[in-house]
Formats: sequence, structure tokens, C-alpha cells
Amino acid sequence: GEDVEQSLFLSVREGDSSVINCTYTDSSSTYLYWYKQEPGAGLQLLTYIFSNMDMKQDQRLTVLLNKKDKHLSLRIADTQTGDSAIYFCAETSGGSYIPTFGRGTSLIVHP
Amino acid sequence: DGGITQSPKYLFRKEGQNVTLSCEQNLNHDAMYWYRQDPGQGLRLIYYSQIVNDFQKGDIAEGYSVSREKKESFPLTVTSAQKNPTAFYLCASAFYERGVYNEQFFGPGTRLTVL
Repeated sequence: GEDVEQSLFLSVREGDSSVINCTYTDSSSTYLYWYKQEPGAGLQLLTYIFSNMDMKQDQRLTVLLNKKDKHLSLRIADTQTGDSAIYFCAETSGGSYIPTFGRGTSLIVHP
Repeated sequence: DGGITQSPKYLFRKEGQNVTLSCEQNLNHDAMYWYRQDPGQGLRLIYYSQIVNDFQKGDIAEGYSVSREKKESFPLTVTSAQKNPTAFYLCASAFYERGVYNEQFFGPGTRLTVL
């Protein structure tokens, strides 16, 4: 079946940029999403990108999509301690209502 | 305020008991989903439903059951047949628009512990 891969952990210093990477296998992926999960809470949609886009920026967040390599990244500028959470990458292909999620990347921000 | 709610937030169950987790949404979303989350495992799909009175098994449906009698509600029953039910359970919903299902909205989750 289709797969979404993420590294499990990322540690950064407060104020630095964080880059969380994701690779996927479904060449028909239409939408790619980034969700944030804080401890003990549900997932919250951070941002999404359509497959016909290369980049999307939203305040401190920048999403880059390399469709050829099936690689998605989320860059968080000026990372704060409140950004510590698990970040999930997900994708859906057109018409599907079952997204495929990665296992999540735990972002740890230390002073 | 529109949203998706789950109750209770914490649930304790004795072995051999069935328990039902509630999920309600007032977003007028068509599709609803149940996921199970274990540490380091990501999300695993238990059941999903596109429309009222219809639902399909996900990847790990054994030991679980659902119903979809109303558009707003998608309760999950964890039966005694589920061998290892201690986990964090997440409900989600999504809107169908112009031939595409949009992003999922998630509830706050229910943590189930079997004693």
C-alpha cells in the first residue's frame, strides 16, 4: 500500500529554524497536510498544499513540495518552546477520503 | 462554535467489559473516522463512515464496533474481544465538496485504560 515516512525525532534550540521532512510514495497524491499534536490533545491542521504547488508560506511556516522526489518539508522559523509537539504529515489522492498519515515527528525545543 | 467533541476524556475499564466512546460533530461533515494512537505508532484507522447508516472497517477493526444513525454522531464501542484496548482514541470528520474530501478535523481524544 501507499506509505508516508517521517523521522521520529527532531531537537532544536529556541530561536533556530526547524525543518521536518516527509516522503510519500503515492504519485497520485493530490493534497498534502501538516498536522500538529500537543500532548494529550487531538490533531490540529497547521497547513496544507496542493500537489500542483511548490511552496506555501503562512507566517512562520513554510511548506516545500518536491513532487518529482515525493518529498514534503515543513520549516518553522524562529522556533519557540510552544512549538514542541508531534508533527504529522498526511496525504490524500483525489476522490479518496482516507488520508495516509506518517508516524509523526516529535519536535523538542530546548532553551 | 462549530467543532467535534469526544467524551469522556479519560475512561477506565475492567477487563471483560464493553465501553462506548462518544463522538459528536456539528460541522455538517459527511465523513467520520475513528483512529487509535499508541506511543510511537502514529494513527491507525479503526472504522470510517461516509454517510449515515453506512460504515467500513479500517486496518484494525477487530474487537471494535460502530454505528452511524445520525450524521452528527459516530460512537465507537470497544468490546471485550479487543485484546489490548489501552490507547488514545481519536475521532475525526471531513467535509465532502466538489468531488473531494477536505482536511480532517479532529476531536480532543479519549484515553482508555484497562485495569
